[in-house]
Amino acid sequence: SQQGEEDPQALSIQEGENATMNCSYKTSINNLQWYRQNSGRGLVHLILIRSNEREKHSGRLRVTLDTSKKSSSLLITASRAADTASYFCATDYRTSGSRLTFGEGTQLTVNP
Amino acid sequence: NAGVTQTPKFQVLKTGQSMTLQCAQDMNHEYMSWYRQDPGMGLRLIHYSVGAGITDQGEVPNGYNVSRSTTEDFPLRLLSAAPSQTSVYFCATCGRTQETQYFGPGTRLLVL
Repeated sequence: SQQGEEDPQALSIQEGENATMNCSYKTSINNLQWYRQNSGRGLVHLILIRSNEREKHSGRLRVTLDTSKKSSSLLITASRAADTASYFCATDYRTSGSRLTFGEGTQLTVNP
Repeated sequence: NAGVTQTPKFQVLKTGQSMTLQCAQDMNHEYMSWYRQDPGMGLRLIHYSVGAGITDQGEVPNGYNVSRSTTEDFPLRLLSAAPSQTSVYFCATCGRTQETQYFGPGTRLLVL
């Protein structure tokens, strides 16, 4: 399986703190993506990082990619209660056409 | 624009019954896919389509059929429902870059 694995499975922090989630995968990828899922809802795309990129920022989000270690991390700075959700990494290992393989997710709880 | 819509939102079936989960998109995306999400797990790809008239199997295709007669619609059929198919089903589309996926709100299916 080429499924990504997230770590930790669950994370509970206080508002204002930073949250870091990690993702590891098994084979070479075209890109890696992070998605967010609020309870009972569909997934929403957050950020995409390509295999030739090492770091990417979007607002309070920072994603890093280490292809030598086959790992990625998602950092959410200055967390808010509204950031409470499940976060999934997804690896795209096809060179043409998107077929995403999802990890099992990290459940983030931000306490007010 | 409605984006990606799914119907029904919730369905209860008895073992052996058949049904079709509907997915429609108004973004003119060529790529569409179906995933299932089981409790505490990531998403697993069931079937996908790279354009009208073209479909292919994903990771867990058994027990499901799909067709793609138009760009807009990608229905998922369960011919004989089984309790193991109890899950939340998500439809997703992908644009021209075939990278970022856009998810529908999901259909929650319970098979008794």
